Amino acid sequence: AQSVSQHNHHVILSEAASLELGCNYSYGGTVNLFWYVQYPGQHLQLLLKYFSGDPLVKGIKGFEAEFIKSKFSFNLRKPSVQWSDTAEYFCAVNLPGTYKYIFGTGTRLKVLA
Amino acid sequence: EAQVTQNPRYLITVTGKKLTVTCSQNMNHEYMSWYRQDPGLGLRQIYYSMNVEATDKGDVPEGYKVSRKEKRNFPLILESPSPNQTSLYFCASSPTMRPGNTIYFGEGSWLTVV
Repeated sequence: AQSVSQHNHHVILSEAASLELGCNYSYGGTVNLFWYVQYPGQHLQLLLKYFSGDPLVKGIKGFEAEFIKSKFSFNLRKPSVQWSDTAEYFCAVNLPGTYKYIFGTGTRLKVLA
Repeated sequence: EAQVTQNPRYLITVTGKKLTVTCSQNMNHEYMSWYRQDPGLGLRQIYYSMNVEATDKGDVPEGYKVSRKEKRNFPLILESPSPNQTSLYFCASSPTMRPGNTIYFGEGSWLTVV
């Protein structure tokens, strides 16, 4: 069965540190990839998405992600985090032509001021 | 304002007492879905609907029912809730499932079954 793995469950960083959150998926074909963010007490919001084209995708709030097909990965990055980036981050995969989304278990990021 | 609205936002109920969590979207979206979020398990899809009168099971459908009689509404029904259904539930919608379409989430419904 298809799955999405986020190996970092909890990450603590100081402000201005660089961030990279890992996401790996298990599916051999073409996929649509997403990163969502959930700020404390709020619903999920889309950070960025990849469907095709340039494997380096830029999203909102300075986030970017790189799709590496050979590694089945879609890691999220930000060069310099802020306290306001404290949130839970979810990677998700959608198989084209299907209505199913598969979410990773999430990574809780805490940024220390 | 474009939004997905869930009700109730918070509910404590007892085992076996039927309940319905409503979900409504005002964006004329075809696709709607329900997820539950549990610590360490992330979001798991319960049911989804491709359009009116078209629903299908997600990964964890046991103990839940849904219906899609109107495009804007997609209620989640727990016929006989049990404590293992205590969770945070999210409704979501999307114009369709074509690439490029974003999924919009509701604000969540905290459900506790005692």
